[in-house]
Amino acid sequence: NAGVTQTPKFQVLKTGQSMTLQCAQDMNHNSMYWYRQDPGMGLRLIYYSASEGTTDKGEVPNGYNVSRLNKREFSLRLESAAPSQTSVYFCASHSGLIRGDQPQHFGDGTRLSIL
Amino acid sequence: EDQVTQSPEALRLQEGESSSLNCSYTVSGLRGLFWYRQDPGKGPEFLFTLYSAGEEKEKERLKATLTKKESFLHITAPKPEDSATYLCAVQNLDSGGSNYKLTFGKGTLLTVNP
Repeated sequence: NAGVTQTPKFQVLKTGQSMTLQCAQDMNHNSMYWYRQDPGMGLRLIYYSASEGTTDKGEVPNGYNVSRLNKREFSLRLESAAPSQTSVYFCASHSGLIRGDQPQHFGDGTRLSIL
Repeated sequence: EDQVTQSPEALRLQEGESSSLNCSYTVSGLRGLFWYRQDPGKGPEFLFTLYSAGEEKEKERLKATLTKKESFLHITAPKPEDSATYLCAVQNLDSGGSNYKLTFGKGTLLTVNP
């Protein structure tokens, strides 16, 4: 009963390095999301993918790129990491059905530190 | 722009001491209000969805209620295992189906001491 799986769980980078965060879901969901969570800021949406083959910017997209590899997988890439991108990153998925009572399901996060 | 404000930021209770968490929201049209629980080092875990003013939902010691401007999460006779951060989020009527997005509050950190 995996749900949403994120890898890696922890990562330390140096400023300027690049990295891809991986996310996979096994619930056959159409929509997937990337959030960052910072102390005192709450969860903020970076990018989302409403369905396979589509991606859209969220509230804080600068410095990030995403790829919806297939229906299961949605990756987040930092091309040139900056200390301001130190955060906990969460991936979430949603069925994508029009009914409003479907919640988003979250992974357990990737804790990223950029020195 | 949708806004969600949660209060208090932190709440410390003794075991058995009931209390409430508040979630005030501003949204042009509410499709749904969601409560999540988040334990340290984990992702948010879904608790409830509320859709219309007057609606209530319960799960063990938790009861969520909704008015036109705010939601309350009532915790009755809490236990130490209820300690967590509780997050509130709203979904706008314009964000349904393939455009499903949530706006989150900053959360309330609840600590229940034995």
